[in-house]
Amino acid sequence: DSGVTQTPKHLITATGQRVTLRCSPRSGDLSVYWYQQSLDQGLQFLIQYYNGEERAKGNILERFSAQQFPDLHSELNLSSLELGDSALYFCASSVASSGIYEQYFGPGTRLTVT
Amino acid sequence: QQPVQSPQAVILREGEDAVINCSSSKALYSVHWYRQKHGEAPVFLMILLKGGEQKGHDKISASFNEKKQQSSLYLTASQLSYSGTYFCGTAYNAGGTSYGKLTFGQGTILTVHP
Repeated sequence: DSGVTQTPKHLITATGQRVTLRCSPRSGDLSVYWYQQSLDQGLQFLIQYYNGEERAKGNILERFSAQQFPDLHSELNLSSLELGDSALYFCASSVASSGIYEQYFGPGTRLTVT
Repeated sequence: QQPVQSPQAVILREGEDAVINCSSSKALYSVHWYRQKHGEAPVFLMILLKGGEQKGHDKISASFNEKKQQSSLYLTASQLSYSGTYFCGTAYNAGGTSYGKLTFGQGTILTVHP
């Protein structure tokens, strides 16, 4: 158990819908990362927040957005869902912002778009 | 920009050794190694920093060759529990605009048979 929690574990929804994925980082970690894992794209970085502020952005679609709240939990919002958005979405956390710190992954949310 | 892992897959008998390589065309700042079992979260193994020492715990160790921009993961006397997909995640600077963003290789599937 990494100490990172994610809810829900599974999500099944229809095309065109909007969903929210939630992540709570490990105690003491200020940085939260979102990654998407699909069979054809592998593990892809989406976005990073540090202490409430956006710090880095990857190939995140405009239909996707995220935020980190004052209590440090983070939410990833996916809207106008398409079949291709079906994937495992992982949240990871680290104590600080740079690439020299370990990132611990949560159990993931499996999103299925039908 | 994605690091390249080799080999793509390895099949071992218990007790045998394996080496997994991760190569980058860009100058690396850090390399993070993870093991992922099917449907589960990536589990952090170790992090190597530019200019840092070779690391290891138990029978798994790793090195970082700055000249070649390559990291290698060494698994010795493999156990059944070592089976899974191994990913390297690379960070390209200490802070700057990449912050903690990790770019992952395509993964190496390791199978250990009794």
